[in-house]
Amino acid sequence: EAGVAQSPRYKIIEKRQSVAFWCNPISGHATLYWYQQILGQGPKLLIQFQNNGVVDDSQLPKDRFSAERLKGVDSTLKIQPAKLEDSAVYLCASSSTWESPSLHFGNGTRLTVT
Amino acid sequence: DAKTTQPNSMESNEEEPVHLPCNHSTISGTDYIHWYRQLPSQGPEYVIHGLTSNVNNRMASLAIAEDRKSSTLILHRATLRDAAVYYCILRDYNNAGNMLTFGGGTRLMVKP
Repeated sequence: EAGVAQSPRYKIIEKRQSVAFWCNPISGHATLYWYQQILGQGPKLLIQFQNNGVVDDSQLPKDRFSAERLKGVDSTLKIQPAKLEDSAVYLCASSSTWESPSLHFGNGTRLTVT
Repeated sequence: DAKTTQPNSMESNEEEPVHLPCNHSTISGTDYIHWYRQLPSQGPEYVIHGLTSNVNNRMASLAIAEDRKSSTLILHRATLRDAAVYYCILRDYNNAGNMLTFGGGTRLMVKP
């Protein structure tokens, strides 16, 4: 089975610019997650989708971050405008249902904000 | 969310067993214990999970204390490929909003 695909792999932008990340989950997986991982820390959940609906976005900085999963498949995460502290790896994960204990992660997009 | 405590780092010799400890003294009766690992430059990878009984799979074994306040992930024979950060996570499946919350994990170094 193909894994979770993310692009781009790396992105470098200047502060105040905008950036978007794309995720294609494993086929048939209803639940999709975006995590932010700052260097040296564990991943932090930003948002969880169940199909195309948001289950939890309590940790998403909504003044600058947005995410969508319009058709319940692919998802995009956007940052506008970016700050220096947004430098991190952005990980997408999917699972067959929200009850599945096994999340499948992509390899992430490494964002550097200068 | 109930929290877990893990050592920051551990070392092991190749081909020897590794026991990775996790303390979770405030675990609730409905919390499942999960282990994930993260290899360098990759996303986390599911390893194993359990509730009360010990669990085995092709990757590892999970030993859960009788009072459930601690658990141990056992790699039976460490290889260089097992060098990673190992995360012990509690999750309650009672509601869809209870997500997987990662802590700092244990960095396992495997010496040849």
